[in-house]
Amino acid sequence: KAGVTQTPRYLIKTRGQQVTLSCSPISGHRSVSWYQQTPGQGLQFLFEYFSETQRNKGNFPGRFSGRQFSNSRSEMNVSTLELGDSALYLCASSLPRANTEAFFGQGTRLTVV
Amino acid sequence: KNEVEQSPQNLTAQEGEFITINCSYSVGISALHWLQQHPGGGIVSLFMLSSGKKKHGRLIATINIQEKHSSLHITASHPRDSAVYICAVPITQGGSEKLVFGKGTKLTVNP
Repeated sequence: KAGVTQTPRYLIKTRGQQVTLSCSPISGHRSVSWYQQTPGQGLQFLFEYFSETQRNKGNFPGRFSGRQFSNSRSEMNVSTLELGDSALYLCASSLPRANTEAFFGQGTRLTVV
Repeated sequence: KNEVEQSPQNLTAQEGEFITINCSYSVGISALHWLQQHPGGGIVSLFMLSSGKKKHGRLIATINIQEKHSSLHITASHPRDSAVYICAVPITQGGSEKLVFGKGTKLTVNP
């Protein structure tokens, strides 16, 4: 069974630009969550999607948004990039029920210059 | 105060040593996750446990729900165990769960 696939793996953008990251979950997994990892803050929850609906959102500004498609693939978008958005962005897929194991992708490392 | 606290932050060991990483949390939970992150970023789920103890090879995880504490043990540590180990707890918000993470423990095992 293929794992969680994130693309691209690495990205360099300039301040003010916008970026779209993609996550393909494990087949059969309908819940996709996104996380930001920085050296200072560690891993922080961004949002979770299930059946094309955002079910949960972390404490991030509105510049961070996402969506999920009917095939459960998810994208996240960051507009008007700031230097502080430089981070590793991870997505995880799971079955849509409580206390279930999360499977993480390799992440997209975004550098904003 | 963070909802999830890990200790130590950094740990250096010699090959063969017994390793213990601790995780304490302040919220009521039904399960706790232990994750491993190697350089390069990918995260692997090691354990999800809600009571007692689980064992996979040289890795053992224990949890005490009443004391809100979990430990990850590595027996006969090996340089390939060098990684960041992260504990995470699911918190219900808005009708669904989100994971809240500890800051991680960076383990270096020297040959």
